[in-house]
Amino acid sequence: AQSVTQPDIHITVSEGASLELRCNYSYGATPYLFWYVQSPGQGLQLLLKYFSGDTLVQGIKGFEAEFKRSQSSFNLRKPSVHWSDAAEYFCAVGATGDDKIIFGKGTRLHILP
Amino acid sequence: ETGVTQTPRHLVMGMTNKKSLKCEQHLGHNAMYWYKQSAKKPLELMFVYNFKEQTENNSVPSRFSPECPNSSHLFLHLHTLQPEDSALYLCASSQEWVEGRTQYFGPGTRLLVL
Repeated sequence: AQSVTQPDIHITVSEGASLELRCNYSYGATPYLFWYVQSPGQGLQLLLKYFSGDTLVQGIKGFEAEFKRSQSSFNLRKPSVHWSDAAEYFCAVGATGDDKIIFGKGTRLHILP
Repeated sequence: ETGVTQTPRHLVMGMTNKKSLKCEQHLGHNAMYWYKQSAKKPLELMFVYNFKEQTENNSVPSRFSPECPNSSHLFLHLHTLQPEDSALYLCASSQEWVEGRTQYFGPGTRLLVL
């Protein structure tokens, strides 16, 4: 069965510092991988997605993620965070033929001024 | 309107009330989803509709009744809810065989059951 693990429930970084949010997945075939961001009281916004090809994926708001098959990981990175990046981030995995995707439990990002 | 819209954005109801949540997608998608997001709990998939047919019901109590009259509209009818049903209800849509079923979300309806 598919599963997604986000090992960090909370992460705090200083404004201007770099960021890496971890995501590990479990799936037998090549998965479809997603990162979403949710601001308080809002819906989920798609940041980026990976289906195939280049394993380094660029997204919106200066985010990128790298698919590493050997580590079953899809970590999200940003070189310099802004206060507006404070939000909850969800990693998700899907597969061909499935009509749903599986979400991780989320990582809440806090930004120190 | 663009994307996925949800109305109302906020709803307060008593346990004996009947209300409905509405979701509309303007993306030409053929699948729609209802999720429940409670504080400190993971996102819970409730229902999935493909081409107006329900294909998933994750053991949701019968006090939640979905309706999908066409591929663009999805409703969640609520009756005799419990306080533990208070949550953010999110609607999403996707297109079969496109972009790995990437889901696009609405802003959600914040429900409070008194």
